[in-house]
Order: sequence, then structure tokens, then C-alpha cells
Amino acid sequence: GESVGLHLPTLSVQEGDNSIINCAYSNSASDYFIWYKQESGKGPQFIIDIRSNMDKRQGQRVTVLLNKTVKHLSLQIAATQPGDSAVYFCAEKQSTGSYQLTFGKGTKLSVIP
Amino acid sequence: DGGITQSPKYLFRKEGQNVTLSCEQNLNHDAMYWYRQDPGQGLRLIYYSQIVNDFQKGDIAEGYSVSREKKESFPLTVTSAQKNPTAFSLCASSPITGGVRYGYTFGSGTRLTVV
Repeated sequence: GESVGLHLPTLSVQEGDNSIINCAYSNSASDYFIWYKQESGKGPQFIIDIRSNMDKRQGQRVTVLLNKTVKHLSLQIAATQPGDSAVYFCAEKQSTGSYQLTFGKGTKLSVIP
Repeated sequence: DGGITQSPKYLFRKEGQNVTLSCEQNLNHDAMYWYRQDPGQGLRLIYYSQIVNDFQKGDIAEGYSVSREKKESFPLTVTSAQKNPTAFSLCASSPITGGVRYGYTFGSGTRLTVV
């Protein structure tokens, strides 16, 4: 498989436990944030997004939390499964007048069966 | 189903040879992008295009060229000037106006190796 996860921060979680992946973003004017999941050898897939006027958004088994005061974004995965093993990275849209995203480097999540 | 298709999945290039990676989308997205992803370094922007017949260099454009003759297509040519021996290249597209979701849709990637 593709070694996109080499030298990235790694989080190891027991199957069934909850996972929390963190991301610090750079621009206090950023108004939109996304979490992507990338499995080995594949392209990134959209997981969940959140706008800056929200603090929390929930999806299926995933929750994104946004703390604008400290420019911090987190992704919580409930009841982590082996299929959740992947690299996760956040992205921010840096202003209302822009459409381009800036990507974080990612965290590798390894689920221990 | 709407989506973005990259081909080929694997490509081998001889030194001194130019090769072209294909990227096609049927999402009616205006913007298209090429990124290179090296281990541990995240996504680095090679080129992007907001509209047909217009494109801009990204952070690592040296050794690459693109064209945008059709809205659906954004091929990337890797020239002999590109010295990186191995690269995983990702194509993406996105809307640029209105809508609820601004996020990019990515292709599945092309793994390019110099032999």
C-alpha cells in the first residue's frame, strides 16, 4: 500500500474505544473546516464539515468540535473499528472570499483488534 | 454517479521522458487542482485552475505543466525536469461559488515512479 502515513503523528486505539484526533489551524479568519479520511493507496474522502458559526457537529459515529478561541479542531470517532484505520487530516477555508482549502499534515490512526 | 477519475493508477517514467496524468470530473465543478503527497508531508499544491483556459502555479510547480481546455478535464504533465523519483499525485475538484459544501472531491491518485 501507499506509505502516506510515514513520519506522521500516530494514534493507536483499541477496537471499540473512542478516538480523538486533533488539529490546530492557522487562520482566525477561517470560516469552514473539513475532516478527510485517507486509506492507504487511496484518495482522501470527506468525513464531516463544520462552519465557523458552530461549535459542534455530529455525523454517524463522528463528531467534530471547533474551538475558535484557541484555533483548535477535533474529530471524535465513537466505537472505533478496524476499518477506521487511516490517515486523517483537517482542512480550513481561510476566508469567506476564498474557495481554496489549506490542509493539515494528518494523523495516522491505527486500530488494535 | 458523479465523481472524479484519475488514470492511470500506476505509471512508470524513464529518465528524460515526459508523461501525462489524466483527471476527469463530471461534478460540474469549476475549480480543479493537482497535489503531490510525499510521506509525512501532507498535500502540496502543484497547479490549480478556476476556469477553462486559465491556471495558476502552486507551491511546487517546477517540472510540471497543465492544461484546462475543457471544464471536465485537467491533465498534468510531468516533465523530465521533475527530479522526484517517486510521487503520489492527487487530483481534486471543487465548486467556487455558492453552495453548502466547499470541500474538495479527490480522485484515487496516481503513483508515478521513475525507472
